[in-house]
Amino acid sequence: DTGVSQDPRHKITKRGQNVTFRCDPISEHNRLYWYRQTLGQGPEFLTYFQNEAQLEKSRLLSDRFSAERPKGSFSTLEIQRTEQGDSAMYLCASSQTGLENEQYFGPGTRLTVT
Amino acid sequence: LAKTTQPISMDSYEGQEVNITCSHNNIATNDYITWYQQFPSQGPRFIIQGYKTKVTNEVASLFIPADRKSSTLSLPRVSLSDTAVYYCLVGDSNVNTNAGKSTFGDGTTLTVKP
Repeated sequence: DTGVSQDPRHKITKRGQNVTFRCDPISEHNRLYWYRQTLGQGPEFLTYFQNEAQLEKSRLLSDRFSAERPKGSFSTLEIQRTEQGDSAMYLCASSQTGLENEQYFGPGTRLTVT
Repeated sequence: LAKTTQPISMDSYEGQEVNITCSHNNIATNDYITWYQQFPSQGPRFIIQGYKTKVTNEVASLFIPADRKSSTLSLPRVSLSDTAVYYCLVGDSNVNTNAGKSTFGDGTTLTVKP
């Protein structure tokens, strides 16, 4: 198992464009989480999935953000009409059922909105 | 979700033992205490988790007093490569509620000097 992977690792986009990030969790992990992290801060929870069901969305996740996990495997996070304030590291993590607090993180996707 | 308080930064020297204390006065009965390590430009890495008393693994020890209102991460004989940000989290273990919805604070930046 190669761990959690994220693609792309870096994304530079112009304000107003849409971007989509992908996360591939550890294969036997049922839970998948998205976080956002800005420089000097800890990761902020955005949303999480139990298999294909999205269980909760943070108020940080405005209507420009949408996340999916269609078959309970990989997940995508889309940001529409990007703004400069969206510039951050977007982290994905996964965990096993029963070990939800032991999360395995991917390397993150660094988004820069110009 | 219980709030945690950690020192913003700590300095140490190679070969020393480092103890980082986290306060979580509002910890709930179902909450576990989890510590993560994060290097620059990487996702956090799970270090250790505990509920009460002492837990030890190959990387660290976690000491939790009886009242569970604080916890101490102990890193034995640190090296330069242990320079990182360390996060203390308190998370619900109930899979039907908030399990895995982790709240990271700003962490403790540990700098190990030669």
